[in-house]
Amino acid sequence: KQEVTQIPAALSVPEGENLVLNCSFTDSAIYNLQWFRQDPGKGLTSLLLIQSSQREQTSGRLNASLDKSSGRSTLYIAASQPGDSATYLCAVVFGNEKLTFGTGTRLTIIP
Amino acid sequence: ETGVTQSPTHLIKTRGQQVTLRCSSQSGHNTVSWYQQALGQGPQFIFQYYREEENGRGNFPPRFSGLQFPNYSSELNVNALELDDSALYLCASSLWRRTSGSYEQYFGPGTRLTVT
Repeated sequence: KQEVTQIPAALSVPEGENLVLNCSFTDSAIYNLQWFRQDPGKGLTSLLLIQSSQREQTSGRLNASLDKSSGRSTLYIAASQPGDSATYLCAVVFGNEKLTFGTGTRLTIIP
Repeated sequence: ETGVTQSPTHLIKTRGQQVTLRCSSQSGHNTVSWYQQALGQGPQFIFQYYREEENGRGNFPPRFSGLQFPNYSSELNVNALELDDSALYLCASSLWRRTSGSYEQYFGPGTRLTVT
């Protein structure tokens, strides 16, 4: 069964710190991996998309890496800000062309 | 802004009733997917439509059905509502290019359905 796991479920860090969110998946035959942000009660905002042939993508203070052989991706957030507080979801497109989501990491940045 | 809109934003229904949720995709996007997100969980794939044909289905019963229209809008219909159908329903549109085998999905804000 193709599964996506995110650990930890919740994370609190002081403002200004750098942090890493983790995502693991069970099948290395992926098309791409996408990181999303979700604010409470809201829809999903796409942050970064990594194609299967890529190792990383960067956007501003965000950097996402992909290691297919180990079935892992990380989302690195530099110089965290209170506005970064949200739930971060990792989603993978496996061979069936559909997004399979993890359960998310709820991030709280403490001012 | 993703260019994907959903209506209504909130909805309250009674168990046993039927509901129709609507989504308007980005212009030119030929694929729409629907997801159900229960509280505290990641979204679960319901089904996908590609050029108005169903193109895959998740582990949801037949009382969940959909339609995609030529104008890039789509519907999710749920019959015989159950209490466990209470969730945030998300639609996502994308431009599926079979030659590249990869695509990015753009999500709408969701419809919050409460079944009492």
